[in-house]
Amino acid sequence: EAGVVQSPRYKIIEKKQPVAFWCNPISGHNTLYWYRQNLGQGPELLIRYENEEAVDDSQLPKDRFSAERLKGVDSTLKIQPAELGDSAVYLCASSPVGVPATEAFFGQGTRLTVV
Amino acid sequence: AQSVAQPEDQVNVAEGNPLTVKCTYSVSGNPYLFWYVQYPNRGLQFLLKYITGDNLVKGSYGFEAEFNKSQTSFHLKKPSALVSDSALYFCADSATGMRFGAGTRLTVKP
Repeated sequence: EAGVVQSPRYKIIEKKQPVAFWCNPISGHNTLYWYRQNLGQGPELLIRYENEEAVDDSQLPKDRFSAERLKGVDSTLKIQPAELGDSAVYLCASSPVGVPATEAFFGQGTRLTVV
Repeated sequence: AQSVAQPEDQVNVAEGNPLTVKCTYSVSGNPYLFWYVQYPNRGLQFLLKYITGDNLVKGSYGFEAEFNKSQTSFHLKKPSALVSDSALYFCADSATGMRFGAGTRLTVKP
């Protein structure tokens, strides 16, 4: 069974440019998470989807970040415009049922460098 | 608010010695607690979880964790550490979505 797939693995952009990350969760998983992880720190939850619905986006900086999950499967996370402080690893995860009892399965992440 | 805390940034142990990585929680209602491990340049991997039942939970790679309600703790343990256990360890709570602690870097020295 394929795991959570994220692309690209690495992205370098200049500040003020837009960037998008893509995530394909494990088949049948209806819960999808996006996290931001700074070096040596814990993942920070940005948004959680249950199917197509964003049920928790309280930590998403909505002035520059947006996300969508069309048809309740793949998801994209966008930053526009990017700032130097956005440099981090962006992780996607999925789980087969809703909270709270199921572990999340993580992708390899996208390492974003803003210069 | 639901949260977990990892009071130690760094834990150093000698190979063959027992290891403990600490986690405390602050939740209203029942806690749903997890441990994950992250090796360099790799994604997070699930180790074990406590949902209900026995307070001692066994997981992958010989790790176990003890849920202690009176101390609101969920410490990760292993009887005999390996150099290959060196990694970042994260405690998480999933009552309102999977939320992580700041992490503890475990270094096992030969």
